[in-house]
Amino acid sequence: GAVVSQHPSRVICKSGTSVKIECRSLDFQATTMFWYRQFPKQSLMLMATSNEGSKATYEQGVEKDKFLINHASLTLSTLTVTSAHPEDSSFYICSAPDTITDTQYFGPGTRLTVL
Amino acid sequence: GDSVTQMEGPVTLSEEAFLTINCTYTATGYPSLFWYVQYPGEGLQLLLKATKADDKGSNKGFEATYRKETTSFHLEKGSVQVSDSAVYFCALRGGGAQKLVFGQGTRLTINP
Repeated sequence: GAVVSQHPSRVICKSGTSVKIECRSLDFQATTMFWYRQFPKQSLMLMATSNEGSKATYEQGVEKDKFLINHASLTLSTLTVTSAHPEDSSFYICSAPDTITDTQYFGPGTRLTVL
Repeated sequence: GDSVTQMEGPVTLSEEAFLTINCTYTATGYPSLFWYVQYPGEGLQLLLKATKADDKGSNKGFEATYRKETTSFHLEKGSVQVSDSAVYFCALRGGGAQKLVFGQGTRLTINP
């Protein structure tokens, strides 16, 4: 079946550095991808919608300059956490809808730890 | 706006017990409804879905029926197994939209 991959699966960084997370749809094209943040024992919070060829759409309360999203191609979206701080530590998940099967597929997630 | 409320966990059952995880929703129009499962250390996987009222989604012994009159989509399984231990998320997708709105998740633990 369709697969969405994320890289890296885990990353530890120092406070003040930037971290890039990649999300790829492996066997289908996705003009739209979604980025979520999941806190421990909590649900997924939608951060933004990544749109191929145009600007991302951010949910209310999500800082655009903090969480940079680039949808470079029909199979790749990246989330860059800029000037990371410990409160940015979280589990970040991407998803991509396959419009042919009308199913949304999720990546395995990226665990970010900011020291 | 659209929202999903699911029963709070954690839920702990013995193997072969009957499972119900309640899910209710608030939405304008006619949303599609989903149950996703997240096994330990893995990403979310679609478990089942229903796209219109009275539809029943089913997979791996799990079932859920789209009840418009009660705005509910409760997840049921007649006999759970240890391998069903996971976090279960109810979600909706509003008509015409692609983004999903998730419930808070219910952690299920099945003991042998």
